[in-house]
This record gives sequence, structure tokens and C-alpha cells, in this order.
Amino acid sequence: ELKVEQNPLFLSMQEEKNYTIYCNYSTTSDRLYWYRQDPGKSLESLFVLLSNGAVKQEGRLMASLDTKARLSTLHITAAVHDLSATYFCAVDDSGTYKYIFGTGTRLKVLA
Amino acid sequence: DTGVSQNPRHKITKRGQNVTFRCDPISEHNRLYWYRQTLGQGPEFLTYFQNEAQLEKSRLLSDRFSAERPKGSFSTLEIQRTEQGDSAMYLCASSLALHRGTGLPDTQYFGPGTRLTVL
Repeated sequence: ELKVEQNPLFLSMQEEKNYTIYCNYSTTSDRLYWYRQDPGKSLESLFVLLSNGAVKQEGRLMASLDTKARLSTLHITAAVHDLSATYFCAVDDSGTYKYIFGTGTRLKVLA
Repeated sequence: DTGVSQNPRHKITKRGQNVTFRCDPISEHNRLYWYRQTLGQGPEFLTYFQNEAQLEKSRLLSDRFSAERPKGSFSTLEIQRTEQGDSAMYLCASSLALHRGTGLPDTQYFGPGTRLTVL
């Protein structure tokens, strides 16, 4: 059974600092997605990573995928308060289109 | 298009009652997903449809849960004989099977969710 783990689960960081969130998964997959969820809101798609070595960037966020290591990273550059949210990665279970989500990383950017 | 919509947004029911939720996907999306999310956790896959066909169903989905998408457009999720453990946010998402630009699997667009409270 596919397991998806994120770390850290909680991240409190200062503005203008850099940090990385990690997403590890347990079985072969070449489809990984990152989402953002604000408190009390639904999920918003951030990145779609569909091949080994894929890298996507949007603003201060950059996501990458290493399918051999079964690892994706979400890198935050020069954090700002607006990035405070919970971030989830989701992995397609063996090409079935059944998506398994990680437990999420709750990010708080302190002014 | 206004995105994925779900109704009702909130539902409070007594244990043992049946509830039904509706999801209207983005109009051209042929895939529709249902998830359950409890506080502090990630969404938990329940089932998904491609057009009107239900292609995957989680083992977590007990016999009390059923979902339909009769005409390949909107979908309903019914929970029979609700239990307190069913209290959660139920999320619907839709997507194209393949992104028109890339020809690759598309991302999912989520609705606002239906929050269920079972007393």
C-alpha cells in the first residue's frame, strides 16, 4: 500500500528565510502534485510534476521530483507572511489515478 | 466557469440518519473524485469516476457509502446510517483526463467541501 510522508509536519519560519519541505513516498510513481490549503478553505493546485527530474517554479516556491529516490521537495525562497498555509503533496498510486495525500506541512511565516 | 461546487456546505445530522451530498464539477471535466478530510489530516481518497463509470473505490469506503455519477456530469455521495466517526469534510474534485496543452494527466480542481457533523 502506497504511503506518503511529509516532513516537517510543522514549520515556523522567519520572513526572508529559505526552507524546504520534503515528500517521500513508498512505491513507484511518476505523478506527484503539490497543493496549498488555507485554514477553512479547500485545496488549491500549485504544481504538477510528471517525470523524473521535473522542476517547476512559481514565485517564491519551487518544486522538484526525483522518482528514483521517491522524493519530492518544495523549496521556499525568502518566505513572506502570505505563504502561511498547509502544503500537501499527493502521489498517484501506481498509475491508477487514485491519489494518496501526505499528512501535510503546516507552515507559519513570522513577521 | 465558476469552478467545482458542492452542496450543501454544511450538514448536521443525528446518528443513524442518511445524508446525501452533491458535487457539480467543472463542465468539461470527465474525471470526478471524492475525498474525506478530518482535522489536521490530508484528504483521504474515497472514489473516482471517469464519465459515469466508477473506476476506483477505496477499501475505506464501507457498505454504508455509495457514490453515483449517472450522466457523467454531477455526482452524489450518500452515507447511510451515519456514525459519529463519519464527521469530516467531504471534498469533491474534478479534472480532465489529459491536459489539453500537454497531453499529460491534469491536476485536480477542488470544490469548497461539505462539512458533515454527526451528533
